[in-house]
Amino acid sequence: DAGITQSPRHKVTETGTPVTLRCHQTENHRYMYWYRQDPGHGLRLIHYSYGVKDTDKGEVSDGYSVSRSKTEDFLLTLESATSSQTSVYFCAISSTGDEQYFGPGTRLTVT
Amino acid sequence: RKEVEQDPGPFNVPEGATVAFNCTYSNSASQSFFWYRQDCRKEPKLLMSVYSSGNEDGRFTAQLNRASQYISLLIRDSKLSDSATYLCVVNKGGGSYIPTFGRGTSLIVHP
Repeated sequence: DAGITQSPRHKVTETGTPVTLRCHQTENHRYMYWYRQDPGHGLRLIHYSYGVKDTDKGEVSDGYSVSRSKTEDFLLTLESATSSQTSVYFCAISSTGDEQYFGPGTRLTVT
Repeated sequence: RKEVEQDPGPFNVPEGATVAFNCTYSNSASQSFFWYRQDCRKEPKLLMSVYSSGNEDGRFTAQLNRASQYISLLIRDSKLSDSATYLCVVNKGGGSYIPTFGRGTSLIVHP
């Protein structure tokens, strides 16, 4: 399996608090992605990165920001969590931008 | 029309059956195609790539039909462990590194 981890794996937080999710890889892959997955919507891209300090928005980026200061780490921040951001968050990596390898996911609940 | 469409199912089949899923895509310039498998509450995992000439891996066969813009996944001799959601993924190529995911087809294999 690709060396990709996510932390935390589970988190419960209150509305209005900031939350940061971490994705860490040991594969030295160039591309990293953050998705959320909700029933009825499938996987939706939040943000992605095509290199260190190179990031861009996906289809559901409102309310989220990202940072990638080094190859191995991609952080997703919810500046002020809302109940609509309750979801399962997956990080993925890719060396070519084609085949992706996913982390185990983070289950976030915003109360 | 959605970029990538799949029948959500569920496909309910007995052990030993042969089952096939199709996935249609709207962008005729698409270059790369994949099938992923996702178990309940787990991350998606790459099952196989789909090549123009087709691709077979054990009981699994993937085909690409560019003229009709669909890819297919055939599973022979279904096992209980094949029960999962199968995600179709398409990348439009041309330097794009943002694959598009279908919402998945659910397969239930029963004894």
